Amino acid sequence: QKEVEQNSGPLSVPEGAIASLNCTYSDRVSQSFFWYRQYSGKSPELIMSIYSNGDKEDGRFTAQLNKASQYVSLLIRDSQPSDSATYLCAVKGGYNKLIFGAGTRLAVHP
Amino acid sequence: DGGITQSPKYLFRKEGQNVTLSCEQNLNHDAMYWYRQDPGQGLRLIYYSQIVNDFQKGDIAEGYSVSREKKESFPLTVTSAQKNPTAFYLCASSSDRPNTEAFFGQGTRLTVV
Repeated sequence: QKEVEQNSGPLSVPEGAIASLNCTYSDRVSQSFFWYRQYSGKSPELIMSIYSNGDKEDGRFTAQLNKASQYVSLLIRDSQPSDSATYLCAVKGGYNKLIFGAGTRLAVHP
Repeated sequence: DGGITQSPKYLFRKEGQNVTLSCEQNLNHDAMYWYRQDPGQGLRLIYYSQIVNDFQKGDIAEGYSVSREKKESFPLTVTSAQKNPTAFYLCASSSDRPNTEAFFGQGTRLTVV
């Protein structure tokens, strides 16, 4: 079992729709969870971080965390073509070990 | 400005040669990380370090070596034992507090010919 799992996609949504990205993790003691966006050939950039159960909203982005189910998600509302990228889920566990999922490719079409 | 600097951006080496990738940060971060990314794939952890003079293997450490002699620097050596070294290498750093994000350098694209 991989430590952090994501559906590789591509996830294709029309402009203006909600994109839903999901991630599961295996280490129950993990405390910190992150969503990064990566454009092709570039470094990842942080979109959202979440540390406690529930929802966290920032503009068009909402992160959701359920530690009992070991599940993290990212919702992107009013998706734009500029949101087309790979979204990486990352989990920080013991000894500050930071593990990434394989990423989900999102394509937003006009 | 504070940040993480990786150099060079592009690197070409002949097969069988060792090569060292540079990573320097001035963010006063204790934790530093090296990742490898292949086309269409996610980030795989090579090595990470929580503190000076200490580091741990990640999931794909074979064929790589690191050192952490200074807080600011975490160089990665790709040795000739690494069977398929051509990849995009990313260095990151973060505070040692648990609820803090990692910041990335611009990456080094290594091509072995």
